[in-house]
Formats: sequence, structure tokens, C-alpha cells
Amino acid sequence: AQSVTQPDIHITVSEGASLELRCNYSYGATPYLFWYVQSPGQGLQLLLKYFSGDTLVQGIKGFEAEFKRSQSSFNLRKPSVHWSDAAEYFCAVDLTGGGNKLTFGTGTQLKVEL
Amino acid sequence: NAGVTQTPKFQVLKTGQSMTLQCAQDMNHEYMSWYRQDPGMGLRLIHYSVGAGITDQGEVPNGYNVSRSTTEDFPLRLLSAAPSQTSVYFCASTRVSGTEAFFGQGTRLTVV
Repeated sequence: AQSVTQPDIHITVSEGASLELRCNYSYGATPYLFWYVQSPGQGLQLLLKYFSGDTLVQGIKGFEAEFKRSQSSFNLRKPSVHWSDAAEYFCAVDLTGGGNKLTFGTGTQLKVEL
Repeated sequence: NAGVTQTPKFQVLKTGQSMTLQCAQDMNHEYMSWYRQDPGMGLRLIHYSVGAGITDQGEVPNGYNVSRSTTEDFPLRLLSAAPSQTSVYFCASTRVSGTEAFFGQGTRLTVV
């Protein structure tokens, strides 16, 4: 069965510092890949997605992610974190492309120190 | 547009009670899904639908029923609530050929 691993449960960074959140998936084929963000008490918002093509994808709020097939990874990055980025981040995969059968990682809680 | 609307936002049930979580979308999306979110476990797929009259099970379907009589609505029914069903429930919708799932704000359910 496909699985998604986010090895960092909590990450703390200082405002203005760079950020990288790790995501690895376990599946034979390349799935459709997503990063979602969840603010406290809110639903999930899509940051970016990868289906094919350029392995570096740009998303909203200044986030980007790089797909590395050899490492089965899809890490999320941001060059300079803002205090408003504090939230929980979820990596997800979908084999069908429809976006309605997502398998999520367990999430990374980001804390931003001022 | 309202997007995906879930009601209620909060609910407390007693063990053995039944209830229906409502989900409605106004984006004319064909695909809809229900997930539950538990601490340390991310979101897990309960049931999903690829169109009116078509539903299927996800990863954790036991104890839940769904139906899809219209494109807009996808209610989730708890037949006999158990404390293990205490969770936050999210409904999501996706266009048929689209790639992004739009999520509702969630329903926080507590079963005592």
C-alpha cells in the first residue's frame, strides 16, 4: 500500500530563516503529489502540487517543492519564513489524479519564533 | 461561492447514538470525499464518491455510511457512535478532471 512519511513531527524556525519540510512516499510508480497547510481550527489549503514535468514546482505564499524520483521525496521549502506561516503542513499523494483519494502523511507542526 | 460547507461545526454524541454529518458543495464538482483527522495520524479516507449514485469505501469505512443522491450533497452517517469515532471530520470535493481537492472547515465530533 502506498504510504507517506513526514519524519519531522515538530519544527521550530526563526522568522526570516529558511525552511525545509521533508516528505517521502513509498510506491512503485510516481504518484500525484501535494502539499497542504492547515491553520488552527481551519480546513486544508493547497500550497502546491506536482503531476509531471518540471520537478521544481512553485506554490502560493512563496513556497516551492522539489520532486526527486531517485529519493522518492517531495520536500517543501521556503527561503524566508514569516510568523504567519506557523501552521501544520501535510504532504499527500494520489494515484488516480482525481484528487479525491488522498493518502496523507502525519503532518509537521511548524512553529515560528519571532 | 461558498465552496464546501460542513454542518455542524461541533457535535457531542452519546455512545450508541446516530447522526449525520452534512456536506454540500456549490462548485459542481463530481468527486467528493470524507476524511477523519486524528492526532498524529494525519487524515484518513473514510468514503468517497465519483458522482451521484456512486460511492466506495476508503481506508477506514467501518461504522460509517454514505450516499450521494445529488451532485451537491454527500452526507456521512454514523450508525451507532463509539468513542473511537471521536475525531475531526473533513469533507472535500474535486472536479472530475481537476487535481485540487477543496476542503470544508471540518466537524469536530466527540463521542462520550
